[in-house]
Amino acid sequence: EVQLVESGGGLVQPGGSLRLSCAASGFTFSGHWMHWVRQAPGKGLVWVSRINRDGSSTFYADSVKGRFTISRDNAKNTLYLQMNSLIVEDTAVYFCASPIFSTDGANGAFDFWGRGTMVTVSS
Amino acid sequence: DIVMTQSPDSLALSLGERASINCKSSQHILYGPNNKHYLAWYQQKPGQPPKLLIYWASTRESGVPDRFSGSGSGTDFTLTISSVQAEDVAVYYCQQYFNSYSFGQGTKLEIK
Repeated sequence: EVQLVESGGGLVQPGGSLRLSCAASGFTFSGHWMHWVRQAPGKGLVWVSRINRDGSSTFYADSVKGRFTISRDNAKNTLYLQMNSLIVEDTAVYFCASPIFSTDGANGAFDFWGRGTMVTVSS
Repeated sequence: DIVMTQSPDSLALSLGERASINCKSSQHILYGPNNKHYLAWYQQKPGQPPKLLIYWASTRESGVPDRFSGSGSGTDFTLTISSVQAEDVAVYYCQQYFNSYSFGQGTKLEIK
């Protein structure tokens, strides 16, 4: 069974840092692109970042570029999101997600999602 | 950036009625070499992660009831629920994954 489990969320002051993790199981983690998507309270879905299979290519939304870093450890089947210089507007539930079966070989819709981890940026 | 615009923002229907949710992309999202539209539909219920319903604009995800269908081409796409059930109450999002990734603002479906 495919599982994605996020952790690392919490309360942080503006300007602070946090590292999120997403533990993957039930599929060949190293064979799939991975994504982070966030959702502010009561708001819609916003894509944050993507990493390719071996971590050599990363891509970010303009709103987090230069502040967030996505990475992965294929030996540990874990995805990360290092979040620096956090601002109030980064407050959201952060989901990791992946296209596993719905792909064109690499890119695809997100057919598996974790349950999310809440990040609150507040003084 | 590709902007996805959904309509309506919300709709309230009686059980058994047909629901149509529209999604318009600001650019074409058809990849010529494989002739696929990079368009997906998700359902999200309160307190849950999104669930993929439709991908490649019209391919139903495994396990999704056949009352859900996707259609469209070019820049205009539609999610149709042929006969709304109580368990379909949710927010529905379209997403393009052709050029970067972006979601529509969501459409809230309620039962009258």
